[in-house]
Amino acid sequence: GAVVSQHPSRVICKSGTSVKIECRSLDFQATTMFWYRQFPKQSLMLMATSNEGSKATYEQGVEKDKFLINHASLTLSTLTVTSAHPEDSSFYICSALNSNEQYFGPGTRLTVT
Amino acid sequence: GENVEQHPSTLSVQEGDSAVIKCTYSDSASNYFPWYKQELGKGPQLIIDIRSNVGEKKDQRIAVTLNKTAKHFSLHITETQPEDSAVYFCAATPYSSASKIIFGSGTRLSIRP
Repeated sequence: GAVVSQHPSRVICKSGTSVKIECRSLDFQATTMFWYRQFPKQSLMLMATSNEGSKATYEQGVEKDKFLINHASLTLSTLTVTSAHPEDSSFYICSALNSNEQYFGPGTRLTVT
Repeated sequence: GENVEQHPSTLSVQEGDSAVIKCTYSDSASNYFPWYKQELGKGPQLIIDIRSNVGEKKDQRIAVTLNKTAKHFSLHITETQPEDSAVYFCAATPYSSASKIIFGSGTRLSIRP
């Protein structure tokens, strides 16, 4: 149980375009999901906390207008990277909170050309 | 806020030997300490965790110890196997649940055959 999926697993987009990443809890409902960013050989950095039915809470230094988060249902949160630039290329990982534990998705590798 | 330091950054051990990874945290209010294993291109997977009311926890070849006074916690892997090769992250949270986890910088563990 407690499986989290992400889609897509890999995406390549052109600079200036937007890309949406989906995070789904497959066998449980999650009122809280988290979005992380991980650069190569570095740790996970929390970007924002996504709460179902309300606005996301962003960490200091994360642009909320650039990284749009929508948590419209108890099993789905989406992260949209708007006007992507090469520096946004990274590994994006979501997690979902279930019974006081975070379960992580497999990650989405975004490459902006 | 919480700061988690992790050492070493890389660790190479002979198959069958033990591996030890150490972490320190700064916020005395932290009371939940999970450890994650991340394989290349995948999301982190929880392998063991410990709460502040416990000094040691063991699960087969994996054990974690916690010294609240010194704000240290460690991961011990015995009888290492090739499949233990991965990046390991320690983490801490100052909340009673697994929300807003602060990750260490990671340890790349390599098991030599």
